[in-house]
Amino acid sequence: AQTVTQSQPEMSVQEAETVTLSCTYDTSESDYYLFWYKQPPSRQMILVIRQEAYKQQNATENRFSVNFQKAAKSFSLKISDSQLGDAAMYFCAYRTVTSGTYKYIFGTGTRLKVLA
Amino acid sequence: DTAVSQTPKYLVTQMGNDKSIKCEQNLGHDTMYWYKQDSKKFLKIMFSYNNKELIINETVPNRFSPKSPDKAHLNLHINSLELGDSAVYFCASSLTGAGGYTFGSGTRLTVV
Repeated sequence: AQTVTQSQPEMSVQEAETVTLSCTYDTSESDYYLFWYKQPPSRQMILVIRQEAYKQQNATENRFSVNFQKAAKSFSLKISDSQLGDAAMYFCAYRTVTSGTYKYIFGTGTRLKVLA
Repeated sequence: DTAVSQTPKYLVTQMGNDKSIKCEQNLGHDTMYWYKQDSKKFLKIMFSYNNKELIINETVPNRFSPKSPDKAHLNLHINSLELGDSAVYFCASSLTGAGGYTFGSGTRLTVV
């Protein structure tokens, strides 16, 4: 069975600095998707970035980028120029295909604090 | 123009009661999900429906019964509520073959 591990329960970053959140996963599948979701205090789950496993190029979305290491099964999120609005829980998720549909497996989350 | 809407947003009820949470999506997605987020923020899938057909049914007590009258709606009915059912329940939808989910804003259920 697939698993997703986020080993950092909490991280802090100074405003305007860069922070990297770690995520590792375990799977025997060769094709899958990986995601980072943000959950601010409003509790809305917001998609930050996604990566397709068959693409070697790392995904980027403005200040957010990933370091995808398929062989190492690692999928870290880098946030550049951190802003106060980036403070939230961040969840790494693996999307598997089960019985023709797409089930997410989430990590336990990393709480990011942004210091002014 | 909410894409995935859940009602109610908050639900406080007594142990033993029966309650329902409703979810509707207007994205034209064909798959809908229920996830439970516990007090430690851990998210775990409960059910998934694809075109009104139950696809995923994780190890969830029989007191939880999903119903999908059409592919735009997925409701969750809970019988005989217990204290341990207190959590945030998220509805989500996706399109088969596409990338990510779109989540609803969650329903915070508190059983007292």
